[in-house]
Amino acid sequence: EPEVTQTPSHQVTQMGQEVILRCVPISNHLYFYWYRQILGQKVEFLVSFYNNEISEKSEIFDDQFSVERPDGSNFTLKIRSTKLEDSAMYFCASRGIGPGNSGNTIYFGEGSWLTVV
Amino acid sequence: DAKTTQPNSMESNEEEPVHLPCNHSTISGTDYIHWYRQLPSQGPEYVIHGLTSNVNNRMASLAIAEDRKSSTLILHRATLRDAAVYYCILRANTGNQFYFGTGTSLTVIP
Repeated sequence: EPEVTQTPSHQVTQMGQEVILRCVPISNHLYFYWYRQILGQKVEFLVSFYNNEISEKSEIFDDQFSVERPDGSNFTLKIRSTKLEDSAMYFCASRGIGPGNSGNTIYFGEGSWLTVV
Repeated sequence: DAKTTQPNSMESNEEEPVHLPCNHSTISGTDYIHWYRQLPSQGPEYVIHGLTSNVNNRMASLAIAEDRKSSTLILHRATLRDAAVYYCILRANTGNQFYFGTGTSLTVIP
């Protein structure tokens, strides 16, 4: 079964450093997402991306964050000047279009655990 | 997105059916009811979704009330691998992302 893959699975970075989290969405999907989950808290929406631009973003997704689809397969989340409170699990997700599961279901990756020290 | 209400936690004995309730009294006519689950240290996983009619798949069944103000996720035989947080989420057909609540933490007792 096709799946969303994320790298790295775990990254430790120093406060103030830049981090890039990478994702390979399911190949025929057109909508891409980043979510995050701080330890012990709920899954929070960050941003959605469609047709090479951001379609929606939450209040969390401020100027510190950016997303990019640099080629036909990767979808990245960049966090500039990381802060301690950015420590969280970051989930990439993707969705297809059309009826049935393809258009209605968002498929999540296994996550990238970011620890800022 | 319309709000959902779920119990914080539930317990079930292994190999018995589990009924996970969700209230969504402000659901609109175009909202689909989605269920996801999150196993420990994993990403959310699709379980099932529906609009008006009851739905079955290999993982679970979804029973939707006639007025659509509530729904129930049914796991027919709970296994230890079903221990997870289960999220009930509403999303409009034209909507984009999902908003997760706190979900129901299901404990399966051997």
